Amino acid sequence: NAGVMQNPRHLVRRRGQEARLRCSPMKGHSHVYWYRQLPEEGLKFMVYLQKENIIDESGMPKERFSAEFPKEGPSILRIQQVVRGDSAAYFCASSPGGVIAEAFFGQGTRLTVV
Amino acid sequence: DQQVKQNSPSLSVQEGRISILNCDYTNSMFDYFLWYKKYPAEGPTFLISISSIKDKNEDGRFTVFLNKSAKHLSLHIVPSQPGDSAVYFCAASAGGVGGSQGNLIFGKGTKLSVKP
Repeated sequence: NAGVMQNPRHLVRRRGQEARLRCSPMKGHSHVYWYRQLPEEGLKFMVYLQKENIIDESGMPKERFSAEFPKEGPSILRIQQVVRGDSAAYFCASSPGGVIAEAFFGQGTRLTVV
Repeated sequence: DQQVKQNSPSLSVQEGRISILNCDYTNSMFDYFLWYKKYPAEGPTFLISISSIKDKNEDGRFTVFLNKSAKHLSLHIVPSQPGDSAVYFCAASAGGVGGSQGNLIFGKGTKLSVKP
């Protein structure tokens, strides 16, 4: 049973481009969480999704950021018109039910905006 | 406004000794607390948790203590091993046992170095 897979591991984008980060949850997991870690900071919650539904997006910036978790395929975190301040490590976690303590984290995607 | 604080950015201990990592919180609505371990270039790994109805939880070499009146928790690792060297994050949730809803509030982490 493979773990939570995130790709790409590293992503470089120029200011103004779009970034798409993918997260394939563990088999049997229908709950996905996205967190962001800025340099020298702790992880900050962005969004919690269940298949085809956004449960809590209270940590997501109101503009340029969106997330989805379709019925088929990985969860996608999309950042439009990236700025330097978006440079961070983005972690995805998945769990079988809505209990974060049972969630496993992926290795993260490190986004660098140049 | 940091709701979860880990005031020690780093800690160095000798192999075989006890490591004590501390965490303070400000939000009295937090009712579930978790500790994660993180190696460089990897995602956090869940270590141990505690509900606010308890004051201690133990799992092998790891014990978490919770002092609700002081809004303080600590992670004890005994005995410390070189493989324990990592960044340790404290996290809190107001979502009940297990931290439902997924919205964890993390501290900034403490880098533990265990020297042989």
